Amino acid sequence: NAGVTQTPKFQVLKTGQSMTLQCAQDMNHNSMYWYRQDPGMGLRLIYYSASEGTTDKGEVPNGYNVSRLNKREFSLRLESAAPSQTSVYFCASSPRWDGGGYTFGSGTRLTVV
Amino acid sequence: GENVEQHPSTLSVQEGDSAVIKCTYSDSASNYFPWYKQELGKRPQLIIDIRSNVGEKKDQRIAVTLNKTAKHFSLHITETQPEDSAVYFCAASWGDIIQGAQKLVFGQGTRLTINP
Repeated sequence: NAGVTQTPKFQVLKTGQSMTLQCAQDMNHNSMYWYRQDPGMGLRLIYYSASEGTTDKGEVPNGYNVSRLNKREFSLRLESAAPSQTSVYFCASSPRWDGGGYTFGSGTRLTVV
Repeated sequence: GENVEQHPSTLSVQEGDSAVIKCTYSDSASNYFPWYKQELGKRPQLIIDIRSNVGEKKDQRIAVTLNKTAKHFSLHITETQPEDSAVYFCAASWGDIIQGAQKLVFGQGTRLTINP
């Protein structure tokens, strides 16, 4: 049982490049989330998916897009990376409607130069 | 939307002493309050949580208290040990229940250092 798997673990991009962060969970959870973590700012929600086929914006969605490919997979795409998107990105999933029982992936450390 | 404030940002205590971290939230509709521990380079992990119908919850050396009237909740760690050194995050649930998924809004984090 792998839980929540994120790929890649590390990535360096040049400004303007695009990339997709992958997230997959094997716990049959309905809800999935993407957060970014910056020093001194905690974890901020980028996008979330309440269930397969639905996505919605979180607190900091600008510059990102998401796809809920199926119940297991939820990807985050940066179309044109900017230095301000340098961060650690965490995917999470939850079986409960109240946000409880979050399981986080191991994170992706992204640097945009 | 929900806003969660966490204090202090750093906390240093002697091994064996107690540590207290406090959070306040803005949305009175929030009803679920978890605490996460994050070690350096690792993912956040849930250590304890509390729901709005409960005022206090304990799990060995860790306890959480909730004051819904004042909209604040606290994490208490007793008999601290070196392995308690980490960053701790509080969070509050937020969102439209009818839409099917509440989200967690996190505090800014507290770096706790246990001095031997």
